[in-house]
Amino acid sequence: AQSVAQPEDQVNVAEGNPLTVKCTYSVSGNPYLFWYVQYPNRGLQFLLKYITGDNLVKGSYGFEAEFNKSQTSFHLKKPSALVSDSALYFCAVRAPYSGAGSYQLTFGKGTKLSVIP
Amino acid sequence: DTGVSQNPRHKITKRGQNVTFRCDPISEHNRLYWYRQTLGQGPEFLTYFQNEAQLEKSRLLSDRFSAERPKGSFSTLEIQRTEQGDSAMYLCASSLANNEQYFGPGTRLTVT
Repeated sequence: AQSVAQPEDQVNVAEGNPLTVKCTYSVSGNPYLFWYVQYPNRGLQFLLKYITGDNLVKGSYGFEAEFNKSQTSFHLKKPSALVSDSALYFCAVRAPYSGAGSYQLTFGKGTKLSVIP
Repeated sequence: DTGVSQNPRHKITKRGQNVTFRCDPISEHNRLYWYRQTLGQGPEFLTYFQNEAQLEKSRLLSDRFSAERPKGSFSTLEIQRTEQGDSAMYLCASSLANNEQYFGPGTRLTVT
């Protein structure tokens, strides 16, 4: 079974400082990894994904994520945080194979990011 | 591309009543997914359609839940004999093949 852990319920960062939201995963085989952001009373918005290739993935709104296979991690990063980045961030994993259980995304519990002006 | 839409956005119902939610995916997307999200948790997978075929159902999807996707277009999720534990946000997502899933705004169900 696949799983995702987001060890921090909340991350606080000052505006303009770099931010990191942590994610570790467990899945058989090479994972498909995703980050989504959720604003209050809204659905999840896709930020970026890792399927294969370069370990550093760039996504929307200046976010990037680094895939580390040995540490089974996929941390979300941004060089300079904005107040508007304050939201709930979810990491998700999908199994790479086809067939039963492979279609669903398994999400972490989410990390609330607060960017302080 | 108008995005994934869901109706209604909010539903309040009394315990024991039946409710039905609708999801309209992005038009060219052949895959459609339903998830449930409770407060403080990430979304949990419920079921998956490829075109009109329901290919996978989670053990979370009890006998009181049924989903359809007639003609491979919109989908409906029905909950019969609602219970207070069914109160949650129900999210629909769609994707093209194995690409990333795009989510709708959700339907928030409150069972009183």
